[in-house]
Amino acid sequence: DQQVKQNSPSLSVQEGRISILNCDYTNSMFDYFLWYKKYPAEGPTFLISISSIKDKNEDGRFTVFLNKSAKHLSLHIVPSQPGDSAVYFCAATGSSNTGKLIFGQGTTLQVKP
Amino acid sequence: GAGVSQSPSNKVTEKGKDVELRCDPISGHTALYWYRQSLGQGLEFLIYFQGNSAPDKSGLPSDRFSAERTGGSVSTLTIQRTQQEDSAVYLCASSVGPGRGYGYTFGSGTRLTVV
Repeated sequence: DQQVKQNSPSLSVQEGRISILNCDYTNSMFDYFLWYKKYPAEGPTFLISISSIKDKNEDGRFTVFLNKSAKHLSLHIVPSQPGDSAVYFCAATGSSNTGKLIFGQGTTLQVKP
Repeated sequence: GAGVSQSPSNKVTEKGKDVELRCDPISGHTALYWYRQSLGQGLEFLIYFQGNSAPDKSGLPSDRFSAERTGGSVSTLTIQRTQQEDSAVYLCASSVGPGRGYGYTFGSGTRLTVV
């Protein structure tokens, strides 16, 4: 049972354009969502998060949008840079999860110069 | 240390052998998590330690997998009688407490290949 899904395994965008990465979840008990970024041969690093009481959180070039009714969140990167090329994981947790994160399958983003 | 340290970084083992993977969390972090990433898959939760509480083992895929955390610090993940489907990158993470995930610091992982 895949509770967090990233249906696009890969995405390619031109430098300077917007990157939009999508994530869907099924568990209505999730109330906190995060995005992690992973480079090859490194562990994932935290990027941005959002609580279910909000519908948007912005940090520099990165914005996460949450649509609770659709159980959908997205990560926008504007403008995209070649250094953003990495695997992006969506993750979710809830008060009953004791801090345990449930991750999606990841989306590989390639930003072309 | 400054980060989460995992060893070895790479391990090739023969099917049927036992392996031990080690994780040194950040000093003072009470929560420690093990995940694995199989080829083409997301990060799969395995086990979670929080202080002196009983670990959450709900993600361990079979009884061949076990983990311990000694003295609230170093953790060892043991896989007995390894199978080819155990091949994956095993990631350890630690956090100050059972937080909301923003405090997770991951190690670089151990790439396990079972031949």
